[in-house]
Formats: sequence, structure tokens, C-alpha cells
Amino acid sequence: AQSVAQPEDQVNVAEGNPLTVKCTYSVSGNPYLFWYVQYPNRGLQFLLKYITGDNLVKGSYGFEAEFNKSQTSFHLKKPSALVSDSALYFCAVRAYQTGANNLFFGTGTRLTVIP
Amino acid sequence: DSGVTQTPKHLITATGQRVTLRCSPRSGDLSVYWYQQSLDQGLQFLIHYYNGEERAKGNILERFSAQQFPDLHSELNLSSLELGDSALYFCASSAQGLAGVETQYFGPGTRLLVL
Repeated sequence: AQSVAQPEDQVNVAEGNPLTVKCTYSVSGNPYLFWYVQYPNRGLQFLLKYITGDNLVKGSYGFEAEFNKSQTSFHLKKPSALVSDSALYFCAVRAYQTGANNLFFGTGTRLTVIP
Repeated sequence: DSGVTQTPKHLITATGQRVTLRCSPRSGDLSVYWYQQSLDQGLQFLIHYYNGEERAKGNILERFSAQQFPDLHSELNLSSLELGDSALYFCASSAQGLAGVETQYFGPGTRLLVL
């Protein structure tokens, strides 16, 4: 079985400050982890993914995520937040069953960047 | 723009009715996934098709069905609609979807309102 948790429903950060959106996971096997962002009235946009290799993954729009196996976490980070980063962020883990490639999503974290 | 298209963007219908949601994957992608996003259940995987064949099922109700056609577009059919079926329905596509960990690219969604 697999699951992903986003412990914070809402994160507020001042523009220019670093931001972190938290995600923890539970999988039986190798974790394949993703971050997506959803802007109002839009679909989900892919930000980055961790499959294997370097624990620090760089993605779109200056975002990065750090995979931590011992803490089973995959937190999304950005050194300097922009107002335009305000959106709903989803962490996801891939299903592990053979032949399945669907994603299990967290409940989402709403990020608000305050000017 | 992810390259995945969904029609219609909005759909308003009455309880007991049947609707069809359409998805065209990115050019060359063989896999199509359907997800439902609702306030109470979050983002949930419904079903996955690869090259015309059903590959995996998630929390899809028996009143719902899907298919993928030879030109690789997919349709999600929702019947005997209930108020609780009101949600945002996303389609996503990936290149293969059989093995490996591919990125899924999401369409803009169809917002269904059942009155």
C-alpha cells in the first residue's frame, strides 16, 4: 500500500523569503514521488519528481525538493518566494502494483505568498 | 499548456442523467488516466487505459465507465448522476504507462455540477 501526507493545509510566506511545503510518504518498496501545482481554474502542472539518484531534485520555476529516506519525506522548497507562486500544491506517490502507474495524491497545501 | 485537452470545460446537469467527458492525450502518449477532484475526497484515481486496454482501476463507481479509442482519445461516462458526483474530473496522459516512472501530464479538467 502507499500513501502520502501533507500535514499543512495552508502555508503563508512573505515574498522573497524561502518557502517549504511538507510531504511525507509511506510505500512498500521504492518510492517514486512527484510534486504538482494547481493554479485557480487550471489543471495540475508537473513541477518535479524523484525516482532515484541525487536526493535533491530540481524542477520547474525554481522549485526543488529534497528526498529524505530516513524521515520518509519529500519536502518542496524554493529559496525566494514570488507572489505568483501562490497556488495549491500536491505531493503524489506512484502506485506500486505491477502494471499500474497511477498516482496517489496528498490532500494539498495552499501556499499564499504575501507581498 | 500540457498538450492534454478535455471537453467540455463545464457541465451542468441534473440528477439521474448521463454525461460523457472527453480527453485527448498529448501527441504520441499511449496512456490515459482519469482522476476525480472533490472537496471531500481530494484527488482520486479512477481508471487507467493503455493503448485501448484497461490497465488499472481505482475508486471508480460502477455507474462510471471509460474507454480509450483507436485514435487514443478517451471518454469517461458517468451515469445515474448524483449530487455527490459534482467534482472536477481530470484526464492525464503519459508516454507508455506500463513500466518505469513516467510523468503524467494533466489536462485543464471538466467541472461537473449535478443539480
